[in-house]
Amino acid sequence: GQQVMQIPQYQHVQEGEDFTTYCNSSTTLSNIQWYKQRPGGHPVFLIQLVKSGEVKKQKRLTFQFGEAKKNSSLHITATQTTDVGTYFCAGGEITGANNLFFGTGTRLTVIP
Amino acid sequence: DSGVTQTPKHLITATGQRVTLRCSPRSGDLSVYWYQQSLDQGLQFLIQYYNGEERAKGNILERFSAQQFPDLHSELNLSSLELGDSALYFCASSVDGGITDTQYFGPGTRLTVL
Repeated sequence: GQQVMQIPQYQHVQEGEDFTTYCNSSTTLSNIQWYKQRPGGHPVFLIQLVKSGEVKKQKRLTFQFGEAKKNSSLHITATQTTDVGTYFCAGGEITGANNLFFGTGTRLTVIP
Repeated sequence: DSGVTQTPKHLITATGQRVTLRCSPRSGDLSVYWYQQSLDQGLQFLIQYYNGEERAKGNILERFSAQQFPDLHSELNLSSLELGDSALYFCASSVDGGITDTQYFGPGTRLTVL
């Protein structure tokens, strides 16, 4: 079955440093979504990527979808304490079951 | 506020018991999803409903069942509870349940099994 893995599982950075989390699928994805879950909160949708090689930016956040549509990354430039939380990717199967597979998540801690 | 409501917020019960978690989707959303999140774990997809019908099934135990009612609210029933069922249970909703839909998550129900 499809699996979506994320690395790293945990990341501690000093405020102002950059941060990247990577999402890898065992199969080709139709789309990928990214969610953020603040401590004690619920996942909140950030963005969706659909096209091969797509890159989207939201202020200090840059999202990429791999050419083969099997991997994705989220890069945060100059982290701030408000970036703290767990970032999940979620990939859609290209065929078959109509559901997203959530990655294992990367928990980001920002040290002021 | 996502517009998705879940009750109760917290639930403490004993092993062997049965509980029901309730979810009301955002107004206009036809699809409901249930997820389980254990401590320091990712989101485990349990089941999805669309307009009252089961659409997709994940790693849902046989002791767990769910349904979506005509008014589109959903309930997740957990029976013969075990210590390992202690977790945060999230409900999410989306407009039509497609894999490109944005999922809007509720605040979750924290279940503690003692």
